[in-house]
Amino acid sequence: DARVTQTPRDKVTEMGQEVTMRCQPILGHNTVFWYRQTMMQGLELLAYFRNRAPLDDSGMPKDRFSAEMPDATLATLKIQPSEPRDSAVYFCASEGGNTGELFFGEGSRLTVL
Amino acid sequence: KNEVEQSPQNLTAQEGEFITINCSYSVGISALHWLQQHPGGGIVSLFMLSSGKKKHGRLIATINIQEKHSSLHITASHPRDSAVYICAALDGTASKLTFGTGTRLQVTL
Repeated sequence: DARVTQTPRDKVTEMGQEVTMRCQPILGHNTVFWYRQTMMQGLELLAYFRNRAPLDDSGMPKDRFSAEMPDATLATLKIQPSEPRDSAVYFCASEGGNTGELFFGEGSRLTVL
Repeated sequence: KNEVEQSPQNLTAQEGEFITINCSYSVGISALHWLQQHPGGGIVSLFMLSSGKKKHGRLIATINIQEKHSSLHITASHPRDSAVYICAALDGTASKLTFGTGTRLQVTL
């Protein structure tokens, strides 16, 4: 059963610490998205990749966030240094083929104290 | 920037009722997604449509491109349909999604 896998599921950390979230997209999907969901803002696009190349990261605070896709099976989102306002659920999603259907991971819930 | 609005924000229905959730957007799009988010937080894609109508089980999604409007209908609603339903407009030139704020649906017995 193909699915998008995210780790960690939950992360609590202190302000200033580095946080890395990982995503394994569905094999063969060539477009990978990072979204953030908060109560106040809802779902927002942070960045996305196509064929591992970053296409748009305009939704991401550049000074502390970075997104990479070192290979086709792994996408990472790093926050350094983390701040309390980064507390949110971070979703990874992948899209493949001609249908355009999105498949979401379970999300990584981040709490920055 | 596309403005995506959903209505209603909250909806309570009794089991068996027919439900409609509306979504409107301000800028032309290439497609619109309907997503379902259950209380556990997971998000599932229900539909992606660019014209006309799609049906899956008790769910029906329609879109009117000229009016920049889409609706999600649930026939014979059931408590397990209780979730947040989110529409998302796909930019015409890129893969950027702009999300609505969601409609929280509660179906009671």
